[in-house]
Amino acid sequence: SSELTQDPAVSVALGQTVRITCQGDSLRRFAATWYQQQPGQAPVLVIYGQNNRPSGIPDRFSGSRSGNTASLTITGAQAEDEGDYYCHTRDSSGHHQVFGGGTKLTVL
Amino acid sequence: EVQLLQSGGGLVQPGGSLRLSCAASGFNFNNYAMSWVRQVPGEGLEWVSSITSSGDTTYYADSVKGRFTISRDNSKNTLFLQMNSLRAADTAVYYCAKENTIFGVVEILFYFDYWGQGTLVTVSS
Repeated sequence: SSELTQDPAVSVALGQTVRITCQGDSLRRFAATWYQQQPGQAPVLVIYGQNNRPSGIPDRFSGSRSGNTASLTITGAQAEDEGDYYCHTRDSSGHHQVFGGGTKLTVL
Repeated sequence: EVQLLQSGGGLVQPGGSLRLSCAASGFNFNNYAMSWVRQVPGEGLEWVSSITSSGDTTYYADSVKGRFTISRDNSKNTLFLQMNSLRAADTAVYYCAKENTIFGVVEILFYFDYWGQGTLVTVSS
């Protein structure tokens, strides 16, 4: 299967911890990447290779994987973390790319 | 500083053609695979096409295969997307993206580490 499934929306209270999940058979073979997208802007890489953060991404962002599910965890969510989050990996062929449908995060 | 500067979007009639460009700077362009990703306004990201660093291998989503052509000019650090037989369903913001690949001990890691600013393509009569 080349599909990645994400919950459409998740909310978290300010300062609390939230987990955003992504399910797909491809995740058993390939690591997940996570992007954050703010309205009107291009996506920004936040986690790659399961749990690696690019320079400039706060350490409250972390990633993990278990079986066919990848997770993005924000520990101590901030107001600026609101936005859409997308997971990404390769499909079963290894040549095509696939994105999850995205999760809209609201910080209350 | 890595920059991906896009151009070429706009309004086109159904059945028409459009060519997008993505001018890269701040990195060794000919060492990296590149991709196009699109996003219908209000919807999610959709991978469109990828090209290897040398340009000798290309990949396409089923939704655009046979209509779109990805290419690159490594001498000019520029990525292209030629879009033919455009349909209303192709209306979207198109992003170019630089793909980074790391050959780890356990697995190969790949990700889009830089994105262009996006360009809107509107297919409408």
